[in-house]
Amino acid sequence: KAGVTQTPRYLIKTRGQQVTLSCSPISGHRSVSWYQQTPGQGLQFLFEYFSETQRNKGNFPGRFSGRQFSNSRSEMNVSTLELGDSALYLCASSLTQGRGTGELFFGEGSRLTVL
Amino acid sequence: AQSVAQPEDQVNVAEGNPLTVKCTYSVSGNPYLFWYVQYPNRGLQFLLKYITGDNLVKGSYGFEAEFNKSQTSFHLKKPSALVSDSALYFCAVRDGGGYQKVTFGIGTKLQVIP
Repeated sequence: KAGVTQTPRYLIKTRGQQVTLSCSPISGHRSVSWYQQTPGQGLQFLFEYFSETQRNKGNFPGRFSGRQFSNSRSEMNVSTLELGDSALYLCASSLTQGRGTGELFFGEGSRLTVL
Repeated sequence: AQSVAQPEDQVNVAEGNPLTVKCTYSVSGNPYLFWYVQYPNRGLQFLLKYITGDNLVKGSYGFEAEFNKSQTSFHLKKPSALVSDSALYFCAVRDGGGYQKVTFGIGTKLQVIP
């Protein structure tokens, strides 16, 4: 069974631009979560989607948005990029929504550098 | 609000020695606890979880973790460390009582010295 696939793996943008990251979960997984990882902050929760609905949202500004499609694939978008948005963005899927006990399965991440 | 603390930024241990990576948590309901490992430039991999039952949980690659409710701790352990265990380790918690996000600790870098 294929794992969680994130694209692109690496990208470089300049301040003010926007970026869209994509995540394909493990087949059959309906929950997708996004995290931002930076050296000083660890993993910060961005949002969680289940069946195309955002179920949880972290403390990030409105520049960060996401969506989930009917096939469970998810995208996140960051508009008006700032230098501080440089990070590894991780997507994770799980079999059930947050109420479940199942573990998260992570993709390799998309490393965003903002210049 | 739920939270996780990993008090050590880095743990150094000699190959063959036992290792412990510490984690304490705070959650209002019953805790669901997890350990993940991250190798350089990779995503996180699940190691083990505690939901209920036996306080000693066994996981992948010979790792185990001990749940201590009174001390609100969930320390990761391994009897004999390998150089290949060198990586970044994350503890995570979720409140088992509802639709809650998973909160991660800041991570502990484990360095196993040959």
